Amino acid sequence: GQQVMQIPQYQHVQEGEDFTTYCNSSTTLSNIQWYKQRPGGHPVFLIQLVKSGEVKKQKRLTFQFGEAKKNSSLHITATQTTDVGTYFCAGPSYSGGGADGLTFGKGTHLIIQP
Amino acid sequence: ETGVTQTPRHLVMGMTNKKSLKCEQHLGHNAMYWYKQSAKKPLELMFVYNFKEQTENNSVPSRFSPECPNSSHLFLHLHTLQPEDSALYLCASSQVTLSRDSSSYEQYFGPGTRLTVT
Repeated sequence: GQQVMQIPQYQHVQEGEDFTTYCNSSTTLSNIQWYKQRPGGHPVFLIQLVKSGEVKKQKRLTFQFGEAKKNSSLHITATQTTDVGTYFCAGPSYSGGGADGLTFGKGTHLIIQP
Repeated sequence: ETGVTQTPRHLVMGMTNKKSLKCEQHLGHNAMYWYKQSAKKPLELMFVYNFKEQTENNSVPSRFSPECPNSSHLFLHLHTLQPEDSALYLCASSQVTLSRDSSSYEQYFGPGTRLTVT
């Protein structure tokens, strides 16, 4: 079955440093989504990438979708304490019924040291 | 955020009990999902309901039984669970547009039910 792999599993950074998490799929994806889950919270949608090579920015966050649509990355510039949490990538699970559930990566836990 | 609510928030049950988890979405969406999140595994898709019809059952054991009476409500009925079923159960919803190709849509998650099976 489809697998979505994400690295690293944990990332410790000093506040102000940059952070990057990488996502790889075993299959070509029609799109990829990114979610953030704060400690004790639930996943919150960040963005969806659809086009090959697409790059999107949200303030200090930059999202990329690979040319082959099998990999993606999330880069945070100058991390802040509010960035703490787990970042997940997810691809559609292709139910064929018009609504796809998501296959999630294991997530990258971002830990920020002040 | 109150778009998707789940009750109860915490549940402790024995292996012989029967309980139900409830999810309600107030966003006017037409698709709903159950996910399982445990410490050892990534978020796992369990069930998908699109326009109240189940379109995906991700090889979930029969001790988990979903029910979707309408597009706003989703239940997960639990019976004879095992300790390894202890996890956070998350409900999500999304809006599916028929004019688009089958694809994923941003999903709005509820706060989850923390389930402990003793």
